[in-house]
Amino acid sequence: DQQVKQNSPSLSVQEGRISILNCDYTNSMFDYFLWYKKYPAEGPTFLISISSIKDKNEDGRFTVFLNKSAKHLSLHIVPSQPGDSAVYFCAASDVSGSRLTFGEGTQLTVNP
Amino acid sequence: NAGVTQTPKFRVLKTGQSMTLLCAQDMNHEYMYWYRQDPGMGLRLIHYSVGEGTTAKGEVPDGYNVSRLKKQNFLLGLESAAPSQTSVYFCASSYSGLQRGELFFGEGSRLTVL
Repeated sequence: DQQVKQNSPSLSVQEGRISILNCDYTNSMFDYFLWYKKYPAEGPTFLISISSIKDKNEDGRFTVFLNKSAKHLSLHIVPSQPGDSAVYFCAASDVSGSRLTFGEGTQLTVNP
Repeated sequence: NAGVTQTPKFRVLKTGQSMTLLCAQDMNHEYMYWYRQDPGMGLRLIHYSVGEGTTAKGEVPDGYNVSRLKKQNFLLGLESAAPSQTSVYFCASSYSGLQRGELFFGEGSRLTVL
């Protein structure tokens, strides 16, 4: 069973507009959430994280929102840039902090 | 700064052959992980280690073995490769539990089993 799910395999947006990537989880023991970005032929790189005690975390153009009651988080990128085109993975960890569970990934394409 | 290095980057095997993927990190990280990435399935954890001499099973451990004899190295072995093990394998490391630091990934190793 997929405990972390990204229902949109792909998303296409225009440069300068907002990109919103969504992620849902089912395990109520998850308490720490991360987003990773992956370019082709490279390993994923950490982008931003949020603890379950917060509902928002912002870092420059990137903001992650957490809705614990809905078991939903989202990544907002404003403004979107062509260099943001990549696969974005949502990930979650439980209190042990020893392992991450990843979603399927969403391919974001930002068109100039 | 090398970070996390995986070898080999590419490998083609015949069904039934064995091989070992090597992961090396120079960041003195305690935790190391092996993931596989398959289309539409994201990254799935195979095995992980929370310190030298320790290993633990992840989501999809069958058909794989691992060893962590030295803190900086984490080996992933396939004893008898099967076509279902065709995938891109990623090694990752972290300083400690994920509450205090994110994973650092290698560039990946593409394995094809014919």
